[in-house]
Amino acid sequence: DAGVIQSPRHEVTEMGQEVTLRCKPISGHDYLFWYRQTMMRGLELLIYFNNNVPIDDSGMPEDRFSAKMPNASFSTLKIQPSEPRDSAVYFCASSINRGASETQYFGPGTRLLVL
Amino acid sequence: GDSVTQMEGPVTLSEEAFLTINCTYTATGYPSLFWYVQYPGEGLQLLLKATKADDKGSNKGFEATYRKETTSFHLEKGSVQVSDSAVYFCAPREAEKLVFGKGTKLTVNP
Repeated sequence: DAGVIQSPRHEVTEMGQEVTLRCKPISGHDYLFWYRQTMMRGLELLIYFNNNVPIDDSGMPEDRFSAKMPNASFSTLKIQPSEPRDSAVYFCASSINRGASETQYFGPGTRLLVL
Repeated sequence: GDSVTQMEGPVTLSEEAFLTINCTYTATGYPSLFWYVQYPGEGLQLLLKATKADDKGSNKGFEATYRKETTSFHLEKGSVQVSDSAVYFCAPREAEKLVFGKGTKLTVNP
């Protein structure tokens, strides 16, 4: 299995531009998570989906952020308009619901820099 | 909701030294407990886990025991290697979510 795939790996954009991050979870996994990692705030859960349905988006910082999962093999996280404080590493993770011990598998992350 | 307090780093050790990274958590029930590791430039990966009281998770020479009475899940390794240099995250599981600590950066010098 290829693991969780994220693209792009690096993104540099200017303030005000739209940014779209992409994630392909592991085949057969029914949970998908988006995280943001910064030095100041550590690792934060932004949103997660179960069977393509958003379950908890309480971590989404503001209306500029949106996430979709149109099918079981693809999800996007969009920032519009982007701001310098959005600079971070964004991780996608997936898991399968087999009980309380189930592991989340992380992608390599997208490093976003907003100038 | 659950919360986790993790030993602040950075931690710098010499090769073959003993490692302990403390982790305590608060939870309403008895969550499964995880340690994840993040090597430089990579995503997080599972290091070990424990699902109930007194369970011991182990992997790559690392161990952690689920202590219900002290709500702790301290990570230990008897003899660290340079290749263990990474950031370590403790995470109790709350429903389907992992609640991550702030991470402890470990540097092992030869």
